[in-house]
Amino acid sequence: NAGVMQNPRHLVRRRGQEARLRCSPMKGHSHVYWYRQLPEEGLKFMVYLQKENIIDESGMPKERFSAEFPKEGPSILRIQQVVRGDSAAYFCASSPSATGEQYFGPGTRLTVT
Amino acid sequence: AQTVTQSQPEMSVQEAETVTLSCTYDTSENNYYLFWYKQPPSRQMILVIRQEAYKQQNATENRFSVNFQKAAKSFSLKISDSQLGDTAMYFCASGGTSYGKLTFGQGTILTVHP
Repeated sequence: NAGVMQNPRHLVRRRGQEARLRCSPMKGHSHVYWYRQLPEEGLKFMVYLQKENIIDESGMPKERFSAEFPKEGPSILRIQQVVRGDSAAYFCASSPSATGEQYFGPGTRLTVT
Repeated sequence: AQTVTQSQPEMSVQEAETVTLSCTYDTSENNYYLFWYKQPPSRQMILVIRQEAYKQQNATENRFSVNFQKAAKSFSLKISDSQLGDTAMYFCASGGTSYGKLTFGQGTILTVHP
């Protein structure tokens, strides 16, 4: 059973461009969480999704950020018009249930130049 | 709302010795889970140990054990017989039981010296 997969592992974007981060959960997992880790800090919750539904987006910045988890395909975290402050590692975790153990992907390191 | 605090930014220990990492938390949940995650230089998040708050018995996983003091809202991690491969950032985290959104502490960098 493959683990949680994230791609790309590294992403460089210029200010103003769009960033798309992908997360393929473990087989059989329908719950996905996105977290952001700024340099020298812990992970901060961004959004929790179940298939086709956003359950909790209380940690998402109000503008420029969006997330989806379609019926088919990976979960996508989309950042429009990136700014330098968006530079961070973005982690995805998946779980088989709402309260099950979360399995983390290797993260995507976004650098905005 | 949940908060998690790790007051030790850095710790070091000699190989084969024992080290304890501290964590305190606050939560409005009646029931919750507590976790310790390890993040080595590869940045992969690895679950070390998990504790259900309703269980009084402290969780153990091989060389890793916790001291869970519910009244004091304290959740420390003890690593026995430290190994070089234990060198990593360690994060304490809490999660509710309605769904698994996790709140992380700031992390403690642990260095194991040969």
